[in-house]
Amino acid sequence: QKEVEQDPGPLSVPEGAIVSLNCTYSNSAFQYFMWYRQYSRKGPELLMYTYSSGNKEDGRFTAQVDKSSKYISLFIRDSQPSDSATYLCAMSLNSGGYQKVTFGIGTKLQVIP
Amino acid sequence: DSGVTQTPKHLITATGQRVTLRCSPRSGDLSVYWYQQSLDQGLQFLIQYYNGEERAKGNILERFSAQQFPDLHSELNLSSLELGDSALYFCASSVGGLTGGGTGELFFGEGSRLTVL
Repeated sequence: QKEVEQDPGPLSVPEGAIVSLNCTYSNSAFQYFMWYRQYSRKGPELLMYTYSSGNKEDGRFTAQVDKSSKYISLFIRDSQPSDSATYLCAMSLNSGGYQKVTFGIGTKLQVIP
Repeated sequence: DSGVTQTPKHLITATGQRVTLRCSPRSGDLSVYWYQQSLDQGLQFLIQYYNGEERAKGNILERFSAQQFPDLHSELNLSSLELGDSALYFCASSVGGLTGGGTGELFFGEGSRLTVL
């Protein structure tokens, strides 16, 4: 079983839709939870990170963490064609003095105009 | 632009050959990470260096090696290449020994796409 599970999609939605992206994890030692966005032929870039259970909002994006269920989500409101990308969840824990980061496989999202 | 520079962007080579990928981290970042990304495996952590010293190893094959130089740039050497080594290789950097100062924020380059024929 992988430490971080993420549905690779692809996920196709119409412009303006609310998008829900999810990851589950098995290691309760994970401390930080992140979402990276990766456009085609580009490197991943950090979208949001959270430390504790609960919600964190940034513009159209909301990150949600439920540590009791080992489940994290990213919601995108009023999705735009420019949101079309692969979204990777990532989780980190302190291991031997450094932060070990584990990525999900990524969900490919397409927003159709 | 993340500030992380990777060269070459594309590389095509034959099985059995050896290649070197180069990474220059963001100015001021001491940690460099190497990741391999293939379609079916996602981002796989290979190795991390902090200020010239190896800090952590992931799923890095024995045929692969890396180093970080005094000027903090890093090189990933891939030898005895096999077809299955074809992938995108990303370098990422962060400020300190703890990724992103403890949060996990990594700054990625645009990757080197390796094709082994």
